[in-house]
Amino acid sequence: AQKITQTQPGMFVQEKEAVTLDCTYDTSDPSYGLFWYKQPSSGEMIFLIYQGSYDQQNATEGRYSLNFQKARKSANLVISASQLGDSAMYFCAMRALVGGFKTIFGAGTRLFVKA
Amino acid sequence: KAGVTQTPRYLIKTRGQQVTLSCSPISGHRSVSWYQQTPGQGLQFLFEYFSETQRNKGNFPGRFSGRQFSNSRSEMNVSTLELGDSALYLCASSLGGQTSHTEAFFGQGTRLTVV
Repeated sequence: AQKITQTQPGMFVQEKEAVTLDCTYDTSDPSYGLFWYKQPSSGEMIFLIYQGSYDQQNATEGRYSLNFQKARKSANLVISASQLGDSAMYFCAMRALVGGFKTIFGAGTRLFVKA
Repeated sequence: KAGVTQTPRYLIKTRGQQVTLSCSPISGHRSVSWYQQTPGQGLQFLFEYFSETQRNKGNFPGRFSGRQFSNSRSEMNVSTLELGDSALYLCASSLGGQTSHTEAFFGQGTRLTVV
């Protein structure tokens, strides 16, 4: 079975500060991919960053980085220098062979950026 | 390059009716996945189509069905609508490779309200 857990329903961060959104996962597959998506109030899901289970280095994409700790099965998203436009829902997701390569999502974390 | 297009954006139906939602994926993408998003259940996988064949299926009743056409466009149908079917329905487009590294690109969704 596969599972994604996001334990923070909501988070507040001051503009220009960094914030970490937590994600833990569970899978029996040694090969898997982890993703983070952003969902603004408009509803569209926007792909942010990807981490492969065999990647040696943490993924980075601009202000987004993924803190991948394989032994702990965690894949936390770090947003540096938060901006007001970062206020949105953030979803952690996973794909693996054991799940037929369908992408499953966590419950999400709503981020509020304060001016 | 055009993104994923979902139509209609908003829909209001009455209980017992049926509804058809449409999704046009990114050009060249052969996989289309459908998700139901509700405040209580989060993002739940409905099914995935690849090259006109259903490749994956979630745990939804038979009232939920879909199909994919030769041009990769997909439709989702819900028959005998129930109040609980009110949700945001998201379509995701991807190249469709059977790998863990395939990010999905989402449409803006169809918001269905059943009254």
